[in-house]
Amino acid sequence: GAVVSQHPSWVICKSGTSVKIECRSLDFQATTMFWYRQFPKQSLMLMATSNEGSKATYEQGVEKDKFLINHASLTLSTLTVTSAHPEDSSFYICSAFRGSQGGSPLHFGNGTRLTVT
Amino acid sequence: AQSVTQPDIHITVSEGASLELRCNYSYGATPYLFWYVQSPGQGLQLLLKYFSGDTLVQGIKGFEAEFKRSQSSFNLRKPSVHWSDAAEYFCAVGLPNNAGNMLTFGGGTRLMVKP
Repeated sequence: GAVVSQHPSWVICKSGTSVKIECRSLDFQATTMFWYRQFPKQSLMLMATSNEGSKATYEQGVEKDKFLINHASLTLSTLTVTSAHPEDSSFYICSAFRGSQGGSPLHFGNGTRLTVT
Repeated sequence: AQSVTQPDIHITVSEGASLELRCNYSYGATPYLFWYVQSPGQGLQLLLKYFSGDTLVQGIKGFEAEFKRSQSSFNLRKPSVHWSDAAEYFCAVGLPNNAGNMLTFGGGTRLMVKP
């Protein structure tokens, strides 16, 4: 079954509002979670690495003030899209690293489709 | 920096036919290699992974992949495709120096299956 839960699965919001997306590891603790963005018919682009108890690490070109990441517990990371605009409409996917061995696979949530009108 | 190339954007095969999806990577050493499958509107499901050892890796749903160091390739194969295999397939690399869990994805290959 699913080991990473992402909520909501889809959301429509008005331009200028903020939207929060949650990513939970269901039966394991995840000190590190990753947030990806996927445009239609394109690949996944890593946005940021979410570290429990510390600041997230953002990839080049990703606005940290626009995409707020909070990893307050070992099972929950949230991504808040602030002052959303239509160009923020996308599919957002989180993932969590399960295991202690290098290269242990990431488990992905089912994604959140954000539409900003 | 590492990169992953999936040369085929779309592939169409007949149900029951064999399948090979290509993946090439660029990295100075051998990275960790993964194949994921994504159904429409869904997250990613891991099909298989390669870290070291036997270069032919078996995965779920009858998939396998072969790591060829000389060609920097990690092609995904299936001997007989089922209609339910229609999806988007992503090859990814993870770097051992960060525990391999920060992934770089290829552009994806969309598989369509003809009845």
